[in-house]
Amino acid sequence: GNSVTQMEGPVTLSEEAFLTINCTYTATGYPSLFWYVQYPGEGLQLLLKATKADDKGSNKGFEATYRKETTSFHLEKGSVQVSDSAVYFCALRVFGNEKLTFGTGTRLTIIP
Amino acid sequence: GAGVSQSPSNKVTEKGKDVELRCDPISGHTALYWYRQSLGQGLEFLIYFQGNSAPDKSGLPSDRFSAERTGGSVSTLTIQRTQQEDSAVYLCASSFPGANEQFFGPGTRLTVL
Repeated sequence: GNSVTQMEGPVTLSEEAFLTINCTYTATGYPSLFWYVQYPGEGLQLLLKATKADDKGSNKGFEATYRKETTSFHLEKGSVQVSDSAVYFCALRVFGNEKLTFGTGTRLTIIP
Repeated sequence: GAGVSQSPSNKVTEKGKDVELRCDPISGHTALYWYRQSLGQGLEFLIYFQGNSAPDKSGLPSDRFSAERTGGSVSTLTIQRTQQEDSAVYLCASSFPGANEQFFGPGTRLTVL
């Protein structure tokens, strides 16, 4: 079946630190990969996506590269801000199957 | 509408009662999804609608759970004879079919006492 394994949280970093949240996947087909973010008190929203191997998704200073050889889609940001504090979810969708399969989520807290 | 809306935002019920949760998708989105977010299970898919039909119901956890969609728009998720393990945040999302981005509503927090 399809599954997403995500770095356990919570993660606490100081402002301007470098961030990596690991995500690996298994999929029966050829997946599209996503990072969703849930800010405090808000709904889930798409942060970035990649639909084929070696694609890099980016948004708001965050990046993730679709690595087929390591079945990974790690989220990175060079310098985090307090406003990045949120829960981050890695997810996949296999072509022909409409549902998203999510990882367990990683709570990120940035301290000034 | 501006986004996906869900009602109620919070629901507290007693064990054994039935509850109905409503989702109003973004206008023009023919695909609609229900997910459940709980502490023990993370974010789980429940059911997917394309128009008024549900080609994928594989995530519904038991026959106490059902959902319908009418007019290709509003959807209702019904939980009969609620149990404490049903306590969770129920999320609705909508999209154009096959689109990569699903747009999520704010969720309904269900607490079963």
